[in-house]
Formats: sequence, structure tokens, C-alpha cells
Amino acid sequence: DTEVTQTPKHLVMGMTNKKSLKCEQHMGHRAMYWYKQKAKKPPELMFVYSYEKLSINESVPSRFSPECPNSSLLNLHLHALQPEDSALYLCASSPGPDNQPQHFGDGTRLSIL
Amino acid sequence: GIQVEQSPPDLILQEGANSTLRCNFSDSVNNLQWFHQNPWGQLINLFYIPSGTKQNGRLSATTVATERYSLLYISSSQTTDSGVYFCAAPQTGANNLFFGTGTRLTVIP
Repeated sequence: DTEVTQTPKHLVMGMTNKKSLKCEQHMGHRAMYWYKQKAKKPPELMFVYSYEKLSINESVPSRFSPECPNSSLLNLHLHALQPEDSALYLCASSPGPDNQPQHFGDGTRLSIL
Repeated sequence: GIQVEQSPPDLILQEGANSTLRCNFSDSVNNLQWFHQNPWGQLINLFYIPSGTKQNGRLSATTVATERYSLLYISSSQTTDSGVYFCAAPQTGANNLFFGTGTRLTVIP
């Protein structure tokens, strides 16, 4: 699925850095999601935004801070990450909170040094 | 939350062979999706199939919601079919997907 665009594709950062992951969709979807996927594991939900409001936070550590500036954009701000946070971060969107299917971006592969 | 189980965990096929992947889920669902994750990590939508049967080229899927399972059929497999196949379903009343553990498919020429 290329209708959901994620940048950057790859990111290497130190544990003291601050960086942001970006996700954009222009399908008019009103629900957006962040998932984390470790190697050889399935994706796991982190956050859900519904109509630009945070509706689900799956007990994610505060070093991950999501933001939804408008209905097309979703950011994930990163600060003081740990090596175990290295993973593929996937963004998805769906027409509405109760409407599927979800469409996924290509992901950002994050490495923490 | 809902439990989603997939079988087999690994599958090796000769190019041209057919296969069936299975997904069992522990609770009633109003949505089920099949995805293919290629070796580059891209998660591709294959089917949105809460019930019934759908076909798309060499792939087809069937969901029997009353018996809580879904099947993905791959016919005349090609090397580009290699990757991990996930099924995913939301918990009733929620909009977050729970993914199965996946089936890793390798198609050899």
C-alpha cells in the first residue's frame, strides 16, 4: 500500500537524540494508527487517533509521543529511546474508527545506537 | 484481547504449487484482513473479508465467521509470493487490529 506515506524510511539515532517519524494519507481517512514490529514478530498496536484525538494508548512509554496535527498527518516524536526500541514502525489509516480496512505505509526502520 | 492463531508457521513450496493458510480467532469478529509482508517489510493488503469468499487473481480467501476461521489460498505460487502472511482481526467494539503470528512462506524455483 503506497497511499500511506511514511518518512523517513530508515533512521539511526543515539539514545540522547530527539527525532520524529511522519505519516501522511490523503484518502480522507479519519482514523490513524501507529504499530511497532520487532524482527520475526507481528505488528503490535501503539496508538490510535480517531478524528484527530488520541483514543487508544497501549501503555506505551512516554519516550514515544504521538501527535495528530490534522486529519492527514500523524507524527511520532521520539526522545531518549533505548536499544530495545529498535524496530519497524508502521503507520496505518482507515476510513473511520469503526470502518475498516486499515491501509499501511511502508514503515520506518529505526535503529537505536 | 482476541487471540489470533495461524498455521502452519512455516511453509516451503516449489514454484507452481498450491497452498492453504489457516487463521483461527477466539472471538466473533466483524472484520478480518489478510496481509502479505514482503522481504522489505512492506505490509500489503490482500483481503478485507469479514465473511464469505473473495478472489483476486491467484489468491482467494474464505472466512467462516460462525466457526471462527479464515483460509487463504495461493495457487500456482511464484517466488514473489515469498514473505510472511498475516491475518488480523479487531476485538469486538474496538478498531485496533490484533495480528496472528504469521505464516512464513518460501517459494523456491
